[in-house]
Amino acid sequence: ETGVTQSPTHLIKTRGQQVTLRCSSQSGHNTVSWYQQALGQGPQFIFQYYREEENGRGNFPPRFSGLQFPNYSSELNVNALELDDSALYLCASSLDYGNTYNEQFFGPGTRLTVL
Amino acid sequence: QKEVEQNSGPLSVPEGAIASLNCTYSDRGSQSFFWYRQYSGKSPELIMFIYSNGDKEDGRFTAQLNKASQYVSLLIRDSQPSDSATYLCAVKLWGTYKYIFGTGTRLKVLA
Repeated sequence: ETGVTQSPTHLIKTRGQQVTLRCSSQSGHNTVSWYQQALGQGPQFIFQYYREEENGRGNFPPRFSGLQFPNYSSELNVNALELDDSALYLCASSLDYGNTYNEQFFGPGTRLTVL
Repeated sequence: QKEVEQNSGPLSVPEGAIASLNCTYSDRGSQSFFWYRQYSGKSPELIMFIYSNGDKEDGRFTAQLNKASQYVSLLIRDSQPSDSATYLCAVKLWGTYKYIFGTGTRLKVLA
């Protein structure tokens, strides 16, 4: 069984640039969620994709967008980067979003630094 | 009131002692509860989940849930220095898509 993978591991961008982060879900999982974790904070939900459709969204502006592909891998895109976007971005996969009894598993994360 | 609250710590316990980590939540519709361990600079790792009132044991870990008091805890028996990490509590509402995390409690196990 393959776990959740993310790329790249680290990224440095400047303010105003755009960035794309990638995630491959765990084998057999059809749901991918993205989180932003600032230093010293818990993960904050950005959005979730289920079977290629956005399934729910947290309190993040539209410049945060995403995609899910037929193989259930996913991308997170952030436009017009701001300094406060510097954080660890986590991807988590699970099976069937609405089922309370399914755990989600995190990838190793992408550390984004915006200068 | 925050949706999921945890004491940020640090909670310091001596090696071999029991570490008790606590979490309260505000939404009575919360149905499932998860504990994650996060080492510095790493991603969260799922330790345990619990859905029913009472205790659930897995090795040195015991999760306790009291839905009436909206309280969930994690006990770590025979604490080891390798248990030193931040422990995140997360809750999920029935049929919804998102997990709500607390800010985490930093645990330090002193050798």
